[in-house]
Amino acid sequence: LAKTTQPISMDSYEGQEVNITCSHNNIATNDYITWYQQFPSQGPRFIIQGYKTKVTNEVASLFIPADRKSSTLSLPRVSLSDTAVYYCLVGYSGGGADGLTFGKGTHLIIQP
Amino acid sequence: DSGVTQTPKHLITATGQRVTLRCSPRSGDLSVYWYQQSLDQGLQFLIHYYNGEERAKGNILERFSAQQFPDLHSELNLSSLELGDSALYFCASSAGTSGGGDEQYFGPGTRLTVT
Repeated sequence: LAKTTQPISMDSYEGQEVNITCSHNNIATNDYITWYQQFPSQGPRFIIQGYKTKVTNEVASLFIPADRKSSTLSLPRVSLSDTAVYYCLVGYSGGGADGLTFGKGTHLIIQP
Repeated sequence: DSGVTQTPKHLITATGQRVTLRCSPRSGDLSVYWYQQSLDQGLQFLIHYYNGEERAKGNILERFSAQQFPDLHSELNLSSLELGDSALYFCASSAGTSGGGDEQYFGPGTRLTVT
């Protein structure tokens, strides 16, 4: 049973805010939520990680409600270069293979 | 540049052959992960090593094997190759003991083409 569920694809326009939601109904107490970005023919790149509430860094924000059964990656003012696949992972350091399931991710397409 | 190196960058070989992919983790990272990415399967976790020991296995075929050496570099061996093994193979490393809670740093990948 997959630990996370994400939309297969999304599209938006330059300058807009984009929110990608990931469902993780069976998240465990020790689990963290981590998002990666991948461009074609490149390895995934870490974007942001959180445990609860809100985390913000220079590229994105991560919103996690109190029940932690979902999370939302927010990309402010997207540009064409944000077109990529975004993956949501749930797991904890020291955990096993379950926390390393990338799945197929969300293909985000940004248009001019 | 993530600090993770992979060689070779490209590999073309025939069915039935055996190849070895090499990965050097970031300086100081003890964990190495291997992933396979093909067009129809997305990014699939294969295997994880921490400080020389196997820690977790994913969807790794019996024809595939891996190891992590004392200097922490890792090799993924693929044998009896089939057309369906054509894919991008990524190596990643992290400082921690694995699981989804670690920030992984990915290498540039090795593109394997089996003809």
